[in-house]
Amino acid sequence: EVQLVESGGGVVQPGGSLRLSCAASGFTFDDYAMHWVRQAPGKGLEWVSLISGDGGSTYYADSVKGRFTISRDNSKNSLYLQMNSLRTEDTALYYCAKAFGGSHEDWGQGTLVTVSS
Amino acid sequence: QSALTQPASVSGSPGQSITISCTGTSSDVGGYNYVSWYQQHPGKAPKLMIYDVSKRPSGVSNRFSGSKSGNTASLTISGLQAEDEADYYCSSYTSSSTYVFGTGTKVTVL
Repeated sequence: EVQLVESGGGVVQPGGSLRLSCAASGFTFDDYAMHWVRQAPGKGLEWVSLISGDGGSTYYADSVKGRFTISRDNSKNSLYLQMNSLRTEDTALYYCAKAFGGSHEDWGQGTLVTVSS
Repeated sequence: QSALTQPASVSGSPGQSITISCTGTSSDVGGYNYVSWYQQHPGKAPKLMIYDVSKRPSGVSNRFSGSKSGNTASLTISGLQAEDEADYYCSSYTSSSTYVFGTGTKVTVL
């Protein structure tokens, strides 16, 4: 059974940094690309970032490009999202999701990031 | 990276069929067969319902079906049931090698 468990969320001031983690199990981690997707309170889903299975290719939404960095450690079956220069509009529940072709096949339960002074 | 356009709400009676549209551009929905659909119940993570426009993952009811014509994709739920009441989102791969979600549709079972 695929399990994705996010952690690292919390309250941070505008301009601050936070690193999210996603622990994966139940599948061969390095065979799959991974996504980060976020959802602001009461709002819709927003795609954030994608990393290839070997970590060699990364992609970002314009809204986070230059501020967020996606990475992975295949030896630890873990996915990360380093978030710098955080803004109030980055407040959201952040999900990691396992890619399957052009879809997001499996999702974690999310970790909440609140950017507030 | 503008969000794909979905109707804010769709409703139907039990047993009826409903269709949710998802309109994009030739740079996303119209350009690739990588449209997927997600169901999200309140307080829960999204669940993949349809991928590659019309394919159903194992375990998803065959009451859910997907299609695409030009820049618009559609999700049809037939034999509507109370448990289908949820938010639904479409998603597409884009020409920028990124992804974009739809604005979301609230399905109400009357």
